[in-house]
Amino acid sequence: AQSVTQLGSHVSVSEGALVLLRCNYSSSVPPYLFWYVQYPNQGLQLLLKYTTGATLVKGINGFEAEFKKSETSFHLTKPSAHMSDAAEYFCAVSVQEYGNKLVFGAGTILRVKS
Amino acid sequence: EAGVAQSPRYKIIEKRQSVAFWCNPISGHATLYWYQQILGQGPKLLIQFQNNGVVDDSQLPKDRFSAERLKGVDSTLKIQPAKLEDSAVYLCASSSHSQGTGNTEAFFGQGTRLTVV
Repeated sequence: AQSVTQLGSHVSVSEGALVLLRCNYSSSVPPYLFWYVQYPNQGLQLLLKYTTGATLVKGINGFEAEFKKSETSFHLTKPSAHMSDAAEYFCAVSVQEYGNKLVFGAGTILRVKS
Repeated sequence: EAGVAQSPRYKIIEKRQSVAFWCNPISGHATLYWYQQILGQGPKLLIQFQNNGVVDDSQLPKDRFSAERLKGVDSTLKIQPAKLEDSAVYLCASSSHSQGTGNTEAFFGQGTRLTVV
């Protein structure tokens, strides 16, 4: 079955600094990969997704992620953090072989310091 | 288009009581999910419906949890009797993919925050 590991339950950056949130997946077949963001007392909102094709995926709010099959990784980055980026971020994987069940990692809370 | 609707937003009950949550997915979405999100953890899939059939309920505690999706549209999740460890946010999501999420996006409701005391 597929699984997701997010390294670092909390990440703190200064405003304007690079944001890097790490995600590694486990799947025996090509996965679909997603990053979702959750603001307090809200549901999850899609930031970006990788399905097929270009391995560098651009999403909303200036975020992007690169699918690296050899490293089984899908790290999320943003060149310059903004205060409004403070939220919890979840990496998720869906595999067609397993009924396209959407499985989430434990999440990373991003704190942005002024 | 309207998003995924859930109610209630908040619920406080005593242990051993019963509770029910309601979800109305985006119109036309075949797949519906219920997730449990315990504080500090990622969402855990409880049950996945495709239309009105259950695709996956392997992590649903069937001795106390039940769910149904009437006519392949609205869904209810019930807990009876509730335990303290059921305190969590219950998220409903839907997807337009004919089978699960696939390469499509899952849209989430705002969730129901359950507190069992």
